[in-house]
Amino acid sequence: EAQVTQNPRYLITVTGKKLTVTCSQNMNHEYMSWYRQDPGLGLRQIYYSMNVEVTDKGDVPEGYKVSRKEKRNFPLILESPSPNQTSLYFCASSLQEFYEQYFGPGTRLTVT
Amino acid sequence: SQQGEEDPQALSIQEGENATMNCSYKTSINNLQWYRQNSGRGLVHLILIRSNEREKHSGRLRVTLDTSKKSSSLLITASRAADTASYFCATADYGQNFVFGPGTRLSVLP
Repeated sequence: EAQVTQNPRYLITVTGKKLTVTCSQNMNHEYMSWYRQDPGLGLRQIYYSMNVEVTDKGDVPEGYKVSRKEKRNFPLILESPSPNQTSLYFCASSLQEFYEQYFGPGTRLTVT
Repeated sequence: SQQGEEDPQALSIQEGENATMNCSYKTSINNLQWYRQNSGRGLVHLILIRSNEREKHSGRLRVTLDTSKKSSSLLITASRAADTASYFCATADYGQNFVFGPGTRLSVLP
């Protein structure tokens, strides 16, 4: 089944404790992206990647890191999480830039 | 930056009625896409309209695009209770990639 998977689905952590949210797609898509969703603000793009080893900042990259060492994986790293990073995070992939995106189920992160 | 802006923010209609949502944006775009989200779940792609297209249909969905006004509309005909969800427009624009609006929350009452 074609899909985007994210893990974990739910995470509660404390300020400053490094964490990684994994994202994987099985559709051989070139383009992958991370978003955060906050009430009233819609989805805001954090980082995106057009292909392996190519990443770029979205609208809200501060406090986040990403890497794209393999085509299928695009992990999101929070090196020192803060409470303002409490949010619902989505990973998405598409065949190429500008194509329709396929979204993962989301990761609800709470930073206390 | 917030580019796509949906209007209205919330919409409540009866089953069988049509629902119309609007989206405005600010820059030149490659295409505009509409997505649907059920209660905090992942977004599902509905329809994509390219900048050189004016209208597109998919089942009960009709999307229009007016690049001169930088606006788009999504029409859902003969709404069903199962259409209850949040609807987002997303612009795929040169240089900024995907920009989503805050969404329209649609409630279809049985």
